[in-house]
Amino acid sequence: DTGVTQSPTHLIKTRGQQVTLRCSPISGHKSVSWYQQVLGQGPQFIFQYYEKEERGRGNFPDRFSARQFPNYSSELNVNALLLGDSALYLCASSEGTFNSPLHFGNGTRLTVT
Amino acid sequence: ELKVEQNPLFLSMQEGKNYTIYCNYSTTSDRLYWYRQDPGKSLESLFVLLSNGAVKQEGRLMASLDTKARLSTLHITAAVHDLSATYFCAVQTLNNDMRFGAGTRLTVKP
Repeated sequence: DTGVTQSPTHLIKTRGQQVTLRCSPISGHKSVSWYQQVLGQGPQFIFQYYEKEERGRGNFPDRFSARQFPNYSSELNVNALLLGDSALYLCASSEGTFNSPLHFGNGTRLTVT
Repeated sequence: ELKVEQNPLFLSMQEGKNYTIYCNYSTTSDRLYWYRQDPGKSLESLFVLLSNGAVKQEGRLMASLDTKARLSTLHITAAVHDLSATYFCAVQTLNNDMRFGAGTRLTVKP
C-alpha cells in the first residue's frame, strides 16, 4: 500500500523564483490538502482540494496557488519566493468523508536563499 | 478565528512516569485529531476523536475529548523512550481546514 508521495524531497531556490511541488495521494483518496510547517511550529493550512475543486484556503498570499488533477494528484505553486517561504511543505490526503483522518506525505523541504 | 493551544510545549519525563498533554481550542468543533512527528519526519495519525466524551487508547497513549470544555487530553502511561517525539493536536474547522497546535516536544529519559 503506497502512502502519500511528494516530490521533490528537497529544493533550494533563490528569492524571486517560482517553485512547483507535487503530491500523489493514497489510492482511492479524493481529497488533498497542503500545509506549510516552519521549523519548530505546527503545520499551517494552505489549501484543500476535493474532486478537483478548491474546498478551503488558508491565510496565505496570492503567490500561493494549487490545483488538483483528474487522477487526484496535486501541485502547489509558489511565485516570487521570499526567504520566509523556507519551510517543510506537507501534502496530506484523505477520503474526504466526515471522520477520515489526514495521511501525510514526507514533505518537501524548501530552502529559499 | 479558531485558536488551538497546547501545553506544555516542552515536556521532559522519566521512563515509567505518567503525564498528560492538554489541548484547548477556541470554537465549536466536533473533530479533533492527535498526530505524532519524529524529528525530520512527517506526521503520523494517532487518534481521531469525533464526539463529546470520546476516549481512544493505543498502547501507552490515551486521548479524550470534552467538546463542552473545548478540551482534549493525551495521557501517557508509564512512558518509554520510544515515545519521545513531538505531539500535535489539530481541530477541523467548518471550512474544512485543520488548525494545529504548536506541538508538545516530549523527551523521555531513562
